[in-house]
Amino acid sequence: SQTIHQWPATLVQPVGSPLSLECTVEGTSNPNLYWYRQAAGRGLQLLFYSVGIGQISSEVPQNLSASRPQDRQFILSSKKLLLSDSGFYLCAWSVRAGHSSGNTIYFGEGSWLTVV
Amino acid sequence: AQSVAQPEDQVNVAEGNPLTVKCTYSVSGNPYLFWYVQYPNRGLQFLLKYITGDNLVKGSYGFEAEFNKSQTSFHLKKPSALVSDSALYFCAVRDADSGGGADGLTFGKGTHLIIQP
Repeated sequence: SQTIHQWPATLVQPVGSPLSLECTVEGTSNPNLYWYRQAAGRGLQLLFYSVGIGQISSEVPQNLSASRPQDRQFILSSKKLLLSDSGFYLCAWSVRAGHSSGNTIYFGEGSWLTVV
Repeated sequence: AQSVAQPEDQVNVAEGNPLTVKCTYSVSGNPYLFWYVQYPNRGLQFLLKYITGDNLVKGSYGFEAEFNKSQTSFHLKKPSALVSDSALYFCAVRDADSGGGADGLTFGKGTHLIIQP
């Protein structure tokens, strides 16, 4: 069966420091990968998605970047964190499809980031 | 553009009573519709989805949802609520006709479901 791992689970970082959140998926190949942010325990915002190694699409302009160095690895980064980057970050995956599909998106357990 | 509305921030139900969590959507094409549940400080768990076929979809933990195309709704239901059903519930949509890419789901803002003993 497929599993998704995301770490660290919690992180407290000072303003201006770098960030790296990592996500890996097991039990599947060529997945679509996603990073979402959830603010204040509510609404989910899609930040990035990837259909393959080195292929990243950004949904919103922001202080963050994403990379996919391996097929099942997805990394969320920042060079200098802002207070507004605080939130709950969720990595997710789905089976790759060549067109818009009914494939389910499956989420990791999330990472709490507090910027102080 | 696609969007989802969950009109209730919170729904309170007594244990054993039926529950409904409302969701309406807007897409330019045909919808793929999903429900997820989130427990405190956890990721989202998939409950059920509508892709095509029978308008009544059954999912995990005794939940079901009914797709109503004319009302553009996909309400989540359960015949008898449990205290353990208390959580944050998200409805999500994807446009089936959007084509290409790996577009993520568009989520509603979530509804807190509180089941009172």
